[in-house]
Amino acid sequence: KAGVTQTPRYLIKTRGQQVTLSCSPISGHRSVSWYQQTPGQGLQFLFEYFSETQRNKGNFPGRFSGRQFSNSRSEMNVSTLELGDSALYLCASRGTQTDRGQETQYFGPGTRLLVL
Amino acid sequence: GIQVEQSPPDLILQEGANSTLRCNFSDSVNNLQWFHQNPWGQLINLFYIPSGTKQNGRLSATTVATERYSLLYISSSQTTDSGVYFCAAKTGANNLFFGTGTRLTVIP
Repeated sequence: KAGVTQTPRYLIKTRGQQVTLSCSPISGHRSVSWYQQTPGQGLQFLFEYFSETQRNKGNFPGRFSGRQFSNSRSEMNVSTLELGDSALYLCASRGTQTDRGQETQYFGPGTRLLVL
Repeated sequence: GIQVEQSPPDLILQEGANSTLRCNFSDSVNNLQWFHQNPWGQLINLFYIPSGTKQNGRLSATTVATERYSLLYISSSQTTDSGVYFCAAKTGANNLFFGTGTRLTVIP
């Protein structure tokens, strides 16, 4: 099976712009989660989607949003970019046989966003 | 959410040495994973280990759920083992909470 894929891998934007990142989960996985990694804050959870519904949301402002499509692919959007949004954005997928959070999460290679 | 603490924060080893990385967590967990982050940022799964012991080549892990800690053992370390090791845990259907990582440097 192919792994989790993320596009684009690198992105440079300026303050005030908006950006959309894409994630394709492992085939058959219906849950997609997004994480932000920065040197200062470490790895922080953004949100999780399952069957096109947001199940869980981290402590981020409303400028961060996401969605999931019927084929389980997910996008996240950041509007009105700030310098502090520069980070590595990681997407993870997991199978949901038990749907009790016990499955292994697999991560994609990430999108490195630089805001100037 | 659950608190995850890792120690030590930094570790420098001579090639061939053994090491133990520790992860403490603040609550009962139903999911605990160890990852290795490579220089390009990819998180590579090492172990899914909410309890018990597992081994994979030179790496092994043990989680003692009742005492709320997990250990990652690296034997006969190689320079390719360098990188940051993360422990992440979750309770119920919540998200994974990550520790701050252990940065391992293996010197030839």
